[in-house]
Amino acid sequence: NAGVTQTPKFQVLKTGQSMTLQCAQDMNHEYMSWYRQDPGMGLRLIHYSVGAGITDQGEVPNGYNVSRSTTEDFPLRLLSAAPSQTSVYFCASSYALAGGQETQYFGPGTRLLVL
Amino acid sequence: KNEVEQSPQNLTAQEGEFITINCSYSVGISALHWLQQHPGGGIVSLFMLSSGKKKHGRLIATINIQEKHSSLHITASHPRDSAVYICAVKGFGGGSNYKLTFGKGTLLTVNP
Repeated sequence: NAGVTQTPKFQVLKTGQSMTLQCAQDMNHEYMSWYRQDPGMGLRLIHYSVGAGITDQGEVPNGYNVSRSTTEDFPLRLLSAAPSQTSVYFCASSYALAGGQETQYFGPGTRLLVL
Repeated sequence: KNEVEQSPQNLTAQEGEFITINCSYSVGISALHWLQQHPGGGIVSLFMLSSGKKKHGRLIATINIQEKHSSLHITASHPRDSAVYICAVKGFGGGSNYKLTFGKGTLLTVNP
């Protein structure tokens, strides 16, 4: 299994440009999420999905859109990039085991710089 | 919103020392995760706890639900343990079943 993959690894955007950060997992996990990580702050949840066709907002959703048309893919769209969206973005997936146990699997991250 | 506090923020140790990293949270939770992030960014899940204690190799994680506190211990620390250790908590019910709230992390440096 490749696990959770993210592309691109690094991206530079100009203010106002749009782009899509790709995330895919091959573990048939129901739950996927997007986080951003900024210096001095903990990871913050942007959007999450509990299955194909179901998405919801997290803590910091403004400026981002998501969709989940398949179990495998969960792309994050920046509609009009702003310097405040400069960050490292992580995608994660998980599923619930019997007894409530679960393991979070993280992608390698995408570093985004908005000029 | 659950407030998750980790201490210390930074920790420097000599190889072989016993390490303790603490995590406190403000609101009752259904589960707590400990994660490890190495330089270069990759994040790996270490433990998920809802009660008691878990051990994996030299790592031990404990949780006290009544006191809203968890600890991560590393025995016989090694330079390869140098990383940021992150605590994350999950709430109860509805969307909280799926949302994690993270601490800011503890940067551990183990010197040879």
